[in-house]
Amino acid sequence: RKEVEQDPGPFNVPEGATVAFNCTYSNSASQSFFWYRQDCRKEPKLLMSVYSSGNEDGRFTAQLNRASQYISLLIRDSKLSDSATYLCVVSLNQGGKLIFGQGTELSVKP
Amino acid sequence: GAVVSQHPSRVICKSGTSVKIECRSLDFQATTMFWYRQFPKQSLMLMATSNEGSKATYEQGVEKDKFLINHASLTLSTLTVTSAHPEDSSFYICSAQGQLNYGYTFGSGTRLTVV
Repeated sequence: RKEVEQDPGPFNVPEGATVAFNCTYSNSASQSFFWYRQDCRKEPKLLMSVYSSGNEDGRFTAQLNRASQYISLLIRDSKLSDSATYLCVVSLNQGGKLIFGQGTELSVKP
Repeated sequence: GAVVSQHPSRVICKSGTSVKIECRSLDFQATTMFWYRQFPKQSLMLMATSNEGSKATYEQGVEKDKFLINHASLTLSTLTVTSAHPEDSSFYICSAQGQLNYGYTFGSGTRLTVV
């Protein structure tokens, strides 16, 4: 079983749509959780950290369910510029090595 | 903010040659450097973790004699792919962590093609 598993993609959505990504992780001892975004042939960029209480940043909402070992990312009112691959990332401890999911590709169409 | 400069961004080399990739932290001291590899349509896979002045810790399945990592200073870490083969063609990327915080700063990546 992979340490971090994500929804298979790609997701093709029209502008303005709401899209949700899911992720599960296998190690219950994981402590830190993130969503990264990666554009084609570029380095990953931190989108947001994920906290137990859930957190929101503009159109992006992240949720964490430790009991189910499940992380989600919701994007509302999607823009063309949201097209990218979204990576679910966990770490066993703060500042430790990052474990990446395989990523989910999002394509937002006009 | 923190910046990591990674060079070269792209390199093509012949089979059997060695390639060195550099990552420099420009405005902070990188006490820890993580080196990743990413094959097309796959995720980033950690190859090794290095701490300044210490030997790198390699992940299972990564040959330490083939992927030489040096982290001799707090601002520079290098990855050398020795005796490169076509199957080593990949996107290599570093991620630096400073002494005072646990944030991760990624380099811009190196696309290696071995012909």
